[in-house]
Amino acid sequence: DGGITQSPKYLFRKEGQNVTLSCEQNLNHDAMYWYRQDPGQGLRLIYYSQIVNDFQKGDIAEGYSVSREKKESFPLTVTSAQKNPTAFYLCASSPKGQARDSPLHFGNGTRLTVT
Amino acid sequence: QKEVEQNSGPLSVPEGAIASLNCTYSDRGSQSFFWYRQYSGKSPELIMFIYSNGDKEDGRFTAQLNKASQYVSLLIRDSQPSDSATYLCAGYGGATNKLIFGTGTLLAVQP
Repeated sequence: DGGITQSPKYLFRKEGQNVTLSCEQNLNHDAMYWYRQDPGQGLRLIYYSQIVNDFQKGDIAEGYSVSREKKESFPLTVTSAQKNPTAFYLCASSPKGQARDSPLHFGNGTRLTVT
Repeated sequence: QKEVEQNSGPLSVPEGAIASLNCTYSDRGSQSFFWYRQYSGKSPELIMFIYSNGDKEDGRFTAQLNKASQYVSLLIRDSQPSDSATYLCAGYGGATNKLIFGTGTLLAVQP
């Protein structure tokens, strides 16, 4: 079955450590995205990529980095520069870039806790 | 003013009733709207999307878009306790040409 796999489901880290969240899709979608969800707030876009080897900053990219070396994979690194990294992180993909008829499909999410 | 606004709820409806979830938007250039359902602790699942004025039906769900009044709604007929979740509205297009999410409405269907 096609889908988006995020791992791990739960992640615990000490403050000051970098951590990488995995996202793999087998939907053959061109575009991939990383969102962050905090209680009481809408989903906020961190980074997105419309093609391999190219990605763009979203609204809250500071303290994060990404790579897109393969169409199927879009890992997110949360660096120590991110001030409030504890959140629910969602990876998504869409058949093409954001368009009126190109809905996002989400992975199951990674819940990151930094203490 | 938020670009996509939703009442946080909770919206409580009895089992079997019609649940009406509403979303307003500020950017008149917004082209389409997506409705997602999100169970507690889980990721959003796409319900449907709409980009033409009027109604769009899919099973028990009907999305309604009124561009003149800048609102979009999701109706759930014959609501079930399993429909209890947070419903996210997202608008695409307009000045930013981006997808903007609302904060969601919590729906509680009472057995």
